[in-house]
Amino acid sequence: AQSVTQLDSQVPVFEEAPVELRCNYSSSVSVYLFWYVQYPNQGLQLLLKYLSGSTLVKGINGFEAEFNKSQTSFHLRKPSVHISDTAEYFCAVSGYGTASKLTFGTGTRLQVTL
Amino acid sequence: GAGVSQSPSNKVTEKGKDVELRCDPISGHTALYWYRQSLGQGLEFLIYFQGNSAPDKSGLPSDRFSAERTGGSVSTLTIQRTQQEDSAVYLCASSITGNTEAFFGQGTRLTVV
Repeated sequence: AQSVTQLDSQVPVFEEAPVELRCNYSSSVSVYLFWYVQYPNQGLQLLLKYLSGSTLVKGINGFEAEFNKSQTSFHLRKPSVHISDTAEYFCAVSGYGTASKLTFGTGTRLQVTL
Repeated sequence: GAGVSQSPSNKVTEKGKDVELRCDPISGHTALYWYRQSLGQGLEFLIYFQGNSAPDKSGLPSDRFSAERTGGSVSTLTIQRTQQEDSAVYLCASSITGNTEAFFGQGTRLTVV
């Protein structure tokens, strides 16, 4: 079984500032890791994923994340945020070989202001 | 279709009534998942279909919840004798196989009054 912890329920940030959304996971097996974004009244959209290979993963909208196996973390970063990045962000994990069955964190609300 | 389609987008029902939620996955996707998103519980896995069979039903919260998939395509999630705690957004996702990226629909917002 897997679990995901998103330490920050809300992250306020000014436009053009950098941001990091934290995610830690727990699993007894090898994992795949994902970040999804949810805009108001919409479904989930995949931002990026780590399946294997390079631990630095680049996704859409300028986001990136780094898989750190020793720290069991998969933090999401963006060097300069925009107002349009305001949304709920979910970190998710799945067991190796079951990439579509996801266990989600509780989400982090990113609020970007001028 | 171009994406995962769910209907209705919103459903208000009286406590005790049965409801059916529909999911049309992306054409050709063999795997289909139902998740529930609620304020108190976050995003929870409910059930997984591979083709028409459901090898993993471990997330269904009670025997009032059931789901089926026909023709390897459309899936219906049925909630019998709805309770107020069933109020949530029900999300459907599909993937090419059970081991690839999942694509989510917009969800059905269920409100039990």
